[in-house]
Amino acid sequence: EDQVTQSPEALRLQEGESSSLNCSYTVSGLRGLFWYRQDPGKGPEFLFTLYSAGEEKEKERLKATLTKKESFLHITAPKPEDSATYLCAVRYEGAQKLVFGQGTRLTINP
Amino acid sequence: EAEVAQSPRYKITEKSQAVAFWCDPISGHATLYWYRQILGQGPELLVQFQDESVVDDSQLPKDRFSAERLKGVDSTLKIQPAELGDSAMYLCASSRALDAKKETQYFGPGTRLLVL
Repeated sequence: EDQVTQSPEALRLQEGESSSLNCSYTVSGLRGLFWYRQDPGKGPEFLFTLYSAGEEKEKERLKATLTKKESFLHITAPKPEDSATYLCAVRYEGAQKLVFGQGTRLTINP
Repeated sequence: EAEVAQSPRYKITEKSQAVAFWCDPISGHATLYWYRQILGQGPELLVQFQDESVVDDSQLPKDRFSAERLKGVDSTLKIQPAELGDSAMYLCASSRALDAKKETQYFGPGTRLLVL
């Protein structure tokens, strides 16, 4: 069964403390891996799309990387405003829908 | 910047009542999705439209849920009758679908449903 698993479920960091979030997937024929940010009570906000192993994307303090089995979202010197739930989703061959992981709830303490 | 619009933002209803949610996608987006997100989990697809046609409704509980997109623009998702387990966030997303396999889905703010 196609599956997306994110770890850790929750992460608490001090401001400026860099870390990484993991998204592992077991799908046949990956056609895109997506990262979204979701603030409480709001809809997911698009961050990145990765299509092939070795690809990297950056935006401000965030950097996403992709291998054949997993993706990492690296957060460098985070600020309190980076606190949110980060969702990973995959699109696989033969389907247009996104299959989401359960998310990582990130808290950055000042 | 164009956004996906949803209404209402919040809905409280009693079980066995009917509820309806509305979504207006980004202008020009042919593909529209309805997702359900239970607290603490990721969104799960309920139904996908390409223009006015249903592409995927395999996860839609058809005994109580219905969705339509009559003119291929805005869409309505209905639940009748609502059950306690339907309490969740209902998210609408859209994409251009010129090459759907590479298109990004943009989400609206969601409708938070509470069934009492």
